[in-house]
Amino acid sequence: GAGVSQSPSNKVTEKGKDVELRCDPISGHTALYWYRQSLGQGLEFLIYFQGNSAPDKSGLPSDRFSAERTGGSVSTLTIQRTQQEDSAVYLCASSSTRAGGPRDTQYFGPGTRLTVL
Amino acid sequence: EDKVVQSPLSLVVHEGDTVTLNCSYEVTNFRSLLWYKQEKKAPTFLFMLTSSGIEKKSGRLSSILDKKELFSILNITATQTGDSAIYLCAVVTGTYKYIFGTGTRLKVLA
Repeated sequence: GAGVSQSPSNKVTEKGKDVELRCDPISGHTALYWYRQSLGQGLEFLIYFQGNSAPDKSGLPSDRFSAERTGGSVSTLTIQRTQQEDSAVYLCASSSTRAGGPRDTQYFGPGTRLTVL
Repeated sequence: EDKVVQSPLSLVVHEGDTVTLNCSYEVTNFRSLLWYKQEKKAPTFLFMLTSSGIEKKSGRLSSILDKKELFSILNITATQTGDSAIYLCAVVTGTYKYIFGTGTRLKVLA
């Protein structure tokens, strides 16, 4: 596609339910990133994929959070047993080269606004 | 603990002014430093810096990194109202973890 897409754009769920957020990176981009931004807060890095593997998962806030990427393309971020503090905008980004490389440029998707009631 | 600190937290200037935004960091195994502009929801990538002393420039924006003193600055000359945004600094570590500062909120008045 032309850019990074995320779905759904908005998700309202009840506390305790599981949610799945999807990210479609730009075609051919090997690197994919998930971030979280709470109201009035800065960006919080969650996880980074190079291809299908994630070198460092320590940014995930708790074991209720998991992410996977298949086929080097689409990624899903799953939050189990959602809590009210999970409410935030979840942003996905992709880049064509390995993260931190000199030619790396990240392109962000529009985000998913998650509200946990 | 790895951390990135940005200053000032907020800044109000008039069109035509020049501003300098600061980003200092303490991380183990530094890989690169990035600057973003966030106007609404999704940040826009501005610069990636990996080497000290080499200025990156794009129009009225420029940035430089000092790996000895562990900081970077982002300069915006001849500011315009369209420059109003939150400017984010992030450091990438050796394990590809991105550590963000809280950002500098810039408002440019007409």
